[in-house]
Amino acid sequence: DTEVTQTPKHLVMGMTNKKSLKCEQHMGHRAMYWYKQKAKKPPELMFVYSYEKLSINESVPSRFSPECPNSSLLNLHLHALQPEDSALYLCASSQETGQVGGYTFGSGTRLTVV
Amino acid sequence: GDSVTQMEGPVTLSEEAFLTINCTYTATGYPSLFWYVQYPGEGLQLLLKATKADDKGSNKGFEATYRKETTSFHLEKGSVQVSDSAVYFCALSARAGTALIFGKGTTLSVSS
Repeated sequence: DTEVTQTPKHLVMGMTNKKSLKCEQHMGHRAMYWYKQKAKKPPELMFVYSYEKLSINESVPSRFSPECPNSSLLNLHLHALQPEDSALYLCASSQETGQVGGYTFGSGTRLTVV
Repeated sequence: GDSVTQMEGPVTLSEEAFLTINCTYTATGYPSLFWYVQYPGEGLQLLLKATKADDKGSNKGFEATYRKETTSFHLEKGSVQVSDSAVYFCALSARAGTALIFGKGTTLSVSS
């Protein structure tokens, strides 16, 4: 298995809702990442987990809460989002952080906040 | 800090034309360099990579050579197809403990 699987593919949520994005990989990668991508822009790093511990938080608002239950799973819990949070949320993994071998990206969750 | 600079798009070409997308970087040490492609409505796919100076990455007819002397990693393809229409991102991984750093992306549009 050489894929990163993200669910759901599309999500519409209200500003008072609580939802979660899920990401799964079975490549034995020990680093996992959340990126946010707005239309026609490059991905922006949000969080990095290394060996299931949060190693980088790029000053992301607390309405985004990451969780890494085990080495294969990464969640992003969403609460009280704003319309400007609408974007494509990408998960990625690599063998280590700063890995020369490359990063594998999922196909993303397209989030719309109404 | 570390950064990647790509040529601004959009780039519009006819089918079978030659493609070059310029990418230069700033980084301490010896970064690894990548090209990712994003088709409409999809996530990012690794197109090619190079991990040390003078390495040439290649895939699907695309090539890029890691030039340390000019800090560049330009993407080239000899004959583009309509199916190559996408956004192309140059990226680097500087060292352990850091994540990928992306350029702003270049939109390529190929017409038949």
